[in-house]
Amino acid sequence: DADVTQTPRNRITKTGKRIMLECSQTKGHDRMYWYRQDPGLGLRLIYYSFDVKDINKGEISDGYSVSRQAQAKFSLSLESAIPNQTALYFCATSSYNTDTQYFGPGTRLTVL
Amino acid sequence: GESVGLHLPTLSVQEGDNSIINCAYSNSASDYFIWYKQESGKGPQFIIDIRSNMDKRQGQRVTVLLNKTVKHLSLQIAATQPGDSAVYFCAENGLTGGGNKLTFGTGTQLKVEL
Repeated sequence: DADVTQTPRNRITKTGKRIMLECSQTKGHDRMYWYRQDPGLGLRLIYYSFDVKDINKGEISDGYSVSRQAQAKFSLSLESAIPNQTALYFCATSSYNTDTQYFGPGTRLTVL
Repeated sequence: GESVGLHLPTLSVQEGDNSIINCAYSNSASDYFIWYKQESGKGPQFIIDIRSNMDKRQGQRVTVLLNKTVKHLSLQIAATQPGDSAVYFCAENGLTGGGNKLTFGTGTQLKVEL
């Protein structure tokens, strides 16, 4: 969905490196989410934000941090990447008055 | 209890046949359910959703059925086409206390045979 964009699309990094994944949306939604997807485990919520001043931990927030720089931007950081953070990462957005979430194209992250 | 999940990891159908993908959910308090389609290399795409005050909802070639008695959700795709090949997964809002947060199933791979 071109309304939600993620950069980079692919990233290979080494253990211990700090990296940032970025998400931008033009849908005008208040709420943004970061998920990771691993084979056989489905989507798991890392962090979410309901507005610019709001940050909440999801079920697997350890090792990650986020920043909501503006309504349209939500970035995910790995302060010190480790191999088990190798996964697909998705950003999603939703409006305040609906549960429907719309996803970006994903970032494939590999930590060596 | 059992989390949101799918009965079959892989479903193979012939082109033109109807497909039925099933999902069992665990929280009777869930009042919103959604189906996503994920093609290889892409993010999940919204297909159709349903609220708990409905039993059935139809879209273009897709129908979602909700059976609250047995906590079961199904996605029916009519006249399945090669472009329908993807992973399909359901999500519910009840396990997360609502507030726009969803719990996702692990997915079913739909393969369309020519």
